[in-house]
Parts: sequence; structure tokens; C-alpha cells
Amino acid sequence: NAGVTQTPKFQVLKTGQSMTLQCAQDMNHEYMSWYRQDPGMGLRLIHYSVGAGITDQGEVPNGYNVSRSTTEDFPLRLLSAAPSQTSVYFCASSYSTVQGTQYFGPGTRLTVL
Amino acid sequence: AQSVTQLGSHVSVSEGALVLLRCNYSSSVPPYLFWYVQYPNQGLQLLLKYTSAATLVKGINGFEAEFKKSETSFHLTKPSAHMSDAAEYFCAVSRQPTGMDSSYKLIFGSGTRLLVRP
Repeated sequence: NAGVTQTPKFQVLKTGQSMTLQCAQDMNHEYMSWYRQDPGMGLRLIHYSVGAGITDQGEVPNGYNVSRSTTEDFPLRLLSAAPSQTSVYFCASSYSTVQGTQYFGPGTRLTVL
Repeated sequence: AQSVTQLGSHVSVSEGALVLLRCNYSSSVPPYLFWYVQYPNQGLQLLLKYTSAATLVKGINGFEAEFKKSETSFHLTKPSAHMSDAAEYFCAVSRQPTGMDSSYKLIFGSGTRLLVRP
């Protein structure tokens, strides 16, 4: 099992550009989520999905879109990048929504100039 | 609303000393509580979790945590620190959806960086 994979590992964007962060898992987990990690703020939930075709907003959803067409994939789209979106992004998946262990990907470090 | 407070952004201990990382939570319904560890340039991995069974929870690498409802705390301890324990530790809380709020959120604390001195 590869677990949770994320691409790219690093990305530099200019303000206003768009891009998609990819996330895939091979554990057949129904629940997937995206977090951003900023110094001194822990991890904040951006969007999550409880199954294919079902997504919902987390704490900080503005400026991001998600879709879940398959169980395996959960891409995160930045519509028009802003410097405030400079962060490390983590994707995670779990078997259960509330009690389950979340398995994290290695992260994507994004810089917006 | 749920929240998590981790006291101390940095904790420094000597190798072999007791490790104590503090976590307090607030939740209007019985919580589920987690400790995750993040090594440099890696994602998070689960250390242990409390899901309303035993209040003393044992995790990996010799860590344990005790759920104290009266103190709304879930502090992480390890009797003897090892150099390999140097990492950032995150406490997190979730809870079952309720009639008032059917959403799911796992709320993380701001993290505590553990430094281990030789």
C-alpha cells in the first residue's frame, strides 16, 4: 500500500494563478480531508468528504474548491492564488469520520508570490 | 463549539527525563481525543486516541495520555525521553455529530515542539 500520496511536493505560484493539489489513497477510506498548516496555528480543516460525491466545508474554505468523483482521489483547487495561501497543505484519509485514525500524506509546500 | 489548547509552544527536556505535554479541550458533548506527532518534513501520524473506553490510553513509542473529564484535559506523558522523541506534537478533538450540528470537524491545537537535550 502506498497510503496517502500527494503531488506536487513543492510549488511556487504567482498571485492570481490557479492550480490543483492532487491527493490519492489506496486504503479504500471513505473519509478524506484537506488541511493547511501555518506556524503557531496547528492544522486547520479546509474541506472534507465523507464519500464519493459528498463534500463539505471546514474551518477555512474560502479560495479553495474540492470534488470527490472517486473513493481514491480528492483534489484541492486553488481558484486564484493569494499570498495568504502560502502554507503547507496536508491531505488525510480515514475509515471512520469521528473515531478513526487519520492517515496523512507527506504534504505540499506552496508559496504564492 | 469545540476547541483545543496546548500549553507551551516549546518544551525542552533532558534525555531520560519525564515528558509532559499539556492539552485542554472544550466540547459540549463527549469528545474523542487524539495525539498526533509530526517529525520534520513529514506528515502527521497517530500516537494514541481516546474514544470513551479506558481513560488511560497507551500509545506507540512509550507514550500515554489520561482523559480527565473534571479537568477537561488530555495530557501526554512519557516516563523517559529519548532523542528520537524530538518532534512536534498535536492534540486534536472531535465528536459525534449532533442534532444541532451534523458536521464533522477534527480540531487541532496549535502544537508543541518537543526538544530533547543530550
